[in-house]
Amino acid sequence: AQSVTQPDIHITVSEGASLELRCNYSYGATPYLFWYVQSPGQGLQLLLKYFSGDTLVQGIKGFEAEFKRSQSSFNLRKPSVHWSDAAEYFCAVGAGSGATNKLIFGTGTLLAVQP
Amino acid sequence: NAGVMQNPRHLVRRRGQEARLRCSPMKGHSHVYWYRQLPEEGLKFMVYLQKENIIDESGMPKERFSAEFPKEGPSILRIQQVVRGDSAAYFCASSPTEYEQYFGPGTRLTVT
Repeated sequence: AQSVTQPDIHITVSEGASLELRCNYSYGATPYLFWYVQSPGQGLQLLLKYFSGDTLVQGIKGFEAEFKRSQSSFNLRKPSVHWSDAAEYFCAVGAGSGATNKLIFGTGTLLAVQP
Repeated sequence: NAGVMQNPRHLVRRRGQEARLRCSPMKGHSHVYWYRQLPEEGLKFMVYLQKENIIDESGMPKERFSAEFPKEGPSILRIQQVVRGDSAAYFCASSPTEYEQYFGPGTRLTVT
């Protein structure tokens, strides 16, 4: 069965420091992969997506992610974190026949940013 | 282009009452998904609908929950005879013909 693992429940970084959030997936075929961000009490905003092609994808707000098939990973990175990046981040894989079907989410990583 | 709209944003129901959650997809999107987020958990898929059709309801509880997406009007997630365990945030997402899903702000249901 498809699954997504986000090993880090909480991460704290200093403002200006680099960030990497880990995501591992289990999926039989070529996955469709997504990162979403959720601010408290809000809905989810799509940061970036991977369907095929270049394994390094660029997203909004200066985020990027790299798909590594050999490691079944899709880690999210940002070179310099801003205080406004504090939020919860969810990795997801598109399941079913095509990416228009349901998303399987990880349990999320809560990011805190220290001044 | 307005985003996905959900209402109400907050809903309080007593045990045994019915809850109706509405979702208006983005213009031009004909695919709607419902997800539930329990406290301290990630989102769990509930149901996937296209206009007038339920495509995948594998995540829906077998009893008390139903969903529809009529030809006209919003998609409705209906929970009958609510219990405390139904308290959660319910998110709707819509999608164009393929790929990414766009999420609404959610409805936070509290059962007292």
